[in-house]
Amino acid sequence: QSVLTQPPSVSAAPGQTVTISCSGSSSNIETNYVSWYQQFPGTAPKLLIYDDNKRPSGISERFSGSKSDTSATLGITGLQTGDEADYYCASWDYSLTTVLFGGGTKVTVL
Amino acid sequence: QVQLVQSGAEVRKPGSSVKVSCRASGDSFSGYSFSWVRQAPGQGLEWMGRVIPIFGTPNYAQKFQGRVTITADTSTSTTYMELSSLKSEDTALYYCARVYSNSAYDLDAFDVWGQGTMVTVS
Repeated sequence: QSVLTQPPSVSAAPGQTVTISCSGSSSNIETNYVSWYQQFPGTAPKLLIYDDNKRPSGISERFSGSKSDTSATLGITGLQTGDEADYYCASWDYSLTTVLFGGGTKVTVL
Repeated sequence: QVQLVQSGAEVRKPGSSVKVSCRASGDSFSGYSFSWVRQAPGQGLEWMGRVIPIFGTPNYAQKFQGRVTITADTSTSTTYMELSSLKSEDTALYYCARVYSNSAYDLDAFDVWGQGTMVTVS
């Protein structure tokens, strides 16, 4: 059971917007940066968002990150079939002295 | 652009050890730290620990303390992860990942990943 809680799945039609929540606590999300990763089956994770809301070079503006208190959110606008993947949040936890990952959210494009 | 290339798949018996390598090419090795993350079949991601090559100092997740050893060789730009006392539950894909940090000891994100090494314990 992950300490960072994500919904197991979200879905929406092409072109719509989905949001994925990541709920933590004062020892992780509230006081440390959140990052988000996209993973397709059989491939390594890919960094989508770092430092809560920054995109690495080459990542589409359709992906955005935000954070408030002990929760973070990944948003995907203009949903495309190519966005079907698993998405993970992550944050350092100073109490556990470990990096925590959320359990992952599967995005389905209807 | 940096690439992380990992060693090939391994099969081990319960109680034995495995050592996986991850060689970095194309960018500075000593200027970063590197972590190991594993993923059991059909499961999520789990952080195991990290090493800062210029210092050689590792940090381990409590769950793996005493069983995992993460090292780095700056002469070959390679990081290693050795896991001992293997159990069937250790069957997983093991990834190395470069750490993005806002300051020397922070662990803020993983910006480059290896291709993964499958370790099967049976």
